[in-house]
Amino acid sequence: GAGVSQSPSNKVTEKGKDVELRCDPISGHTALYWYRQSLGQGLEFLIYFQGNSAPDKSGLPSDRFSAERTGGSVSTLTIQRTQQEDSAVYLCASSWASGIRETQYFGPGTRLLVL
Amino acid sequence: KQEVTQIPAALSVPEGENLVLNCSFTDSAIYNLQWFRQDPGKGLTSLLLIQSSQREQTSGRLNASLDKSSGRSTLYIAASQPGDSATYLCAVRRKGGATNKLIFGTGTLLAVQP
Repeated sequence: GAGVSQSPSNKVTEKGKDVELRCDPISGHTALYWYRQSLGQGLEFLIYFQGNSAPDKSGLPSDRFSAERTGGSVSTLTIQRTQQEDSAVYLCASSWASGIRETQYFGPGTRLLVL
Repeated sequence: KQEVTQIPAALSVPEGENLVLNCSFTDSAIYNLQWFRQDPGKGLTSLLLIQSSQREQTSGRLNASLDKSSGRSTLYIAASQPGDSATYLCAVRRKGGATNKLIFGTGTLLAVQP
């Protein structure tokens, strides 16, 4: 595809349920990022992948959050036992290089609402 | 800890006006600073990226400046149009660490009235 895609675009779930969010990066991009955008908190970094490994997971808010990336491509962000404070827009970005001139390309996001 | 703030939080201007959005950051050890726009229900679109060694970048009606020593950047929009209405975010990429993560400001919501 031409850009970063994410699915689902919207997700409504009940408190306590698990959810999986998917990101398809631009083909050939080796770096992949997850960010979260919530009201009052702005846009925050969650996790960074280089290939299939995650050298920086420092932004994951709790152990209920996990992410994986397979084949150096698709990534899944999993939130277990969702809480209402998890409601936010989850954005994925990818880039082809990690040098100082790197530009991250963002997907449209997944809007998660936990009732 | 790097903190990025944007002023104003919201701005409403009549069509045709020139305007300036402000971004400030606390740690000058950055690789670059980037301006994005975000439309409702959509992702972020990169507008301009300024490397730490640069002073400004221009694209069409947009001009972004960077003063790393004072921790400030401005985005100048000339002859604003209703289509410019969106949220504008600045983000810095700091030096050091194992990641190239961006640290974002809280954004400026711009409304250009026809």
